[in-house]
Amino acid sequence: NAGVTQTPKFQVLKTGQSMTLQCAQDMNHEYMSWYRQDPGMGLRLIHYSVGAGITDQGEVPNGYNVSRSTTEDFPLRLLSAAPSQTSVYFCASSYRRGGGETQYFGPGTRLLVL
Amino acid sequence: AQTVTQSQPEMSVQEAETVTLSCTYDTSESDYYLFWYKQPPSRQMILVIRQEAYKQQNATENRFSVNFQKAAKSFSLKISDSQLGDAAMYFCACRVGATNKLIFGTGTLLAVQP
Repeated sequence: NAGVTQTPKFQVLKTGQSMTLQCAQDMNHEYMSWYRQDPGMGLRLIHYSVGAGITDQGEVPNGYNVSRSTTEDFPLRLLSAAPSQTSVYFCASSYRRGGGETQYFGPGTRLLVL
Repeated sequence: AQTVTQSQPEMSVQEAETVTLSCTYDTSESDYYLFWYKQPPSRQMILVIRQEAYKQQNATENRFSVNFQKAAKSFSLKISDSQLGDAAMYFCACRVGATNKLIFGTGTLLAVQP
């Protein structure tokens, strides 16, 4: 198993540009989520999905869109990038059976918005 | 809403000594789980230890153990026989069973002195 993969590893955007951060997992996990990590803020939940076709907002959803058309993929879209979205983004997945299931994290995508 | 608080932004320990990282949490749910994650400079999130709230026995994983005080909503991590490879950022996290959302604290940066 490749686990949770994220692409790209690093991206530079100009203000107003759009892009999609890709996340895929090959563990047949129902639950997937996106976090952003900023200095002194820890990891904050952006959006999450409990299964294909089902998504919901986390703590900081503004400026981001998600969709879940397959179990494997959970892309995160920035429609109009802003400097405040400069951050490191992590995707995670787990089984949905209960809150105790371990979340597995991808390696992260570092995004710089100029 | 869940909250997780780590009051120690930085800690330092001598190699082979013991260190305790503090964490407090707040949730109104009875079904929840607590985790400690380690993030080395590579940025990969690594699960260190987990605790089910319904279990009174403190979880242990080799040199890592927790002190779970449910009434006080405290969940500290003890690292025994500290090694240079333990140097990392440590995050405490809480996941409520009903929502599956994983909420993180702001982290504690642990330095290990040789």
